[in-house]
Amino acid sequence: QKEVEQNSGPLSVPEGAIASLNCTYSDRGSQSFFWYRQYSGKSPELIMFIYSNGDKEDGRFTAQLNKASQYVSLLIRDSQPSDSATYLCAAVNNDMRFGAGTRLTVKP
Amino acid sequence: SAVISQKPSRDICQRGTSLTIQCQVDSQVTMMFWYRQQPGQSLTLIATANQGSEATYESGFVIDKFPISRPNLTFSTLTVSNMSPEDSSIYLCSVRGLAGITDTQYFGPGTRLTVL
Repeated sequence: QKEVEQNSGPLSVPEGAIASLNCTYSDRGSQSFFWYRQYSGKSPELIMFIYSNGDKEDGRFTAQLNKASQYVSLLIRDSQPSDSATYLCAAVNNDMRFGAGTRLTVKP
Repeated sequence: SAVISQKPSRDICQRGTSLTIQCQVDSQVTMMFWYRQQPGQSLTLIATANQGSEATYESGFVIDKFPISRPNLTFSTLTVSNMSPEDSSIYLCSVRGLAGITDTQYFGPGTRLTVL
């Protein structure tokens, strides 16, 4: 069983819509969770992190964490074509473990 | 914000040779890591670079193949030894502990390695 699982996509949404990216993790000892965005040919760029159950908002991005369900999500409101990238979910319990990433395409 | 640089940014190497990749951070960090990202795949942790001692390797990675150094709190090297085409990948340096923030990890720009 993979430690961090994501739907590989591709996920396609129209410009202006909400993109919803999901992630589950298997290690109950994981304490912090991260979302990275990776454009093709570039290194991962940190978008958000979340430690506590509930929602955390930062601009157009909202991260949601449910430790009981071992579930993390990222919502992108008012999606823009520039949001088209692969989104990586990561969980930390000493080491940072990554999911395979979800490829998001925002169509104009 | 701190800058993480890697050298070289890319290289094309012959089978059987070795390449050393450098990672430099412009401020002290607590932890440094090396990841590999093969084409179309996610990131795989190779090892944690420990200052002044041997690196801690993940399952499937060994010191003879991927020797790592970390002489101080801002610098680390990863060597890919006796390369084969299967080593073609992007190698990424990652750091934790920038500006005293313990959990958050940031990535360098990566080194794209092609082995012929």
